[in-house]
Amino acid sequence: DSGVTQTPKHLITATGQRVTLRCSPRSGDLSVYWYQQSLDQGLQFLIQYYNGEERAKGNILERFSAQQFPDLHSELNLSSLELGDSALYFCASSVWASGSYNEQFFGPGTRLTVL
Amino acid sequence: DQQVKQNSPSLSVQEGRISILNCDYTNSMFDYFLWYKKYPAEGPTFLISISSIKDKNEDGRFTVFLNKSAKHLSLHIVPSQPGDSAVYFCAASASGGSYIPTFGRGTSLIVHP
Repeated sequence: DSGVTQTPKHLITATGQRVTLRCSPRSGDLSVYWYQQSLDQGLQFLIQYYNGEERAKGNILERFSAQQFPDLHSELNLSSLELGDSALYFCASSVWASGSYNEQFFGPGTRLTVL
Repeated sequence: DQQVKQNSPSLSVQEGRISILNCDYTNSMFDYFLWYKKYPAEGPTFLISISSIKDKNEDGRFTVFLNKSAKHLSLHIVPSQPGDSAVYFCAASASGGSYIPTFGRGTSLIVHP
């Protein structure tokens, strides 16, 4: 158990809908990262937050947004869903934001299926 | 364009033998490399890492080798055990950037008893 929790574990929805994925980082970790893993793809970095502020952006679509709340949990919002958004979405957390590589601890993921 | 490539989607080895998982990268700015292991229904977990100032790092049965001139790294597992069956992700990061790792697509390792 990494200490990172993600809810829900599975989500099935229809095209055009909007969903929210939730992540609670390990106790003490200030950074949260979101990754997408599509079929046969590696983990694609989406976005990073550190202590409530956006720190880095990866291949995140404009239809997707995220935020980190004062209690450090994070939510990833996916809107106008398309079939291609079906994927595993992982959240990871680490202690520091930058300056050196910080080991990331991953949650179990949320499997999103868009029908 | 994939900056971190794991060209073998799967690998099958016999228990007790050596497993060698390979990874190639294209970005010369990468200077820190990691391997993650992932079991089904779980998130990836950190396994071992290596800095570009080294060419080898060992942790128990796991050894990572780095060949900077070839932009290639490999993970050796000796001896392989059935519990090592998992997907292994290679990742690389650059100290000049945000340190956020770029991941390969993974290699599924199956160790047969």
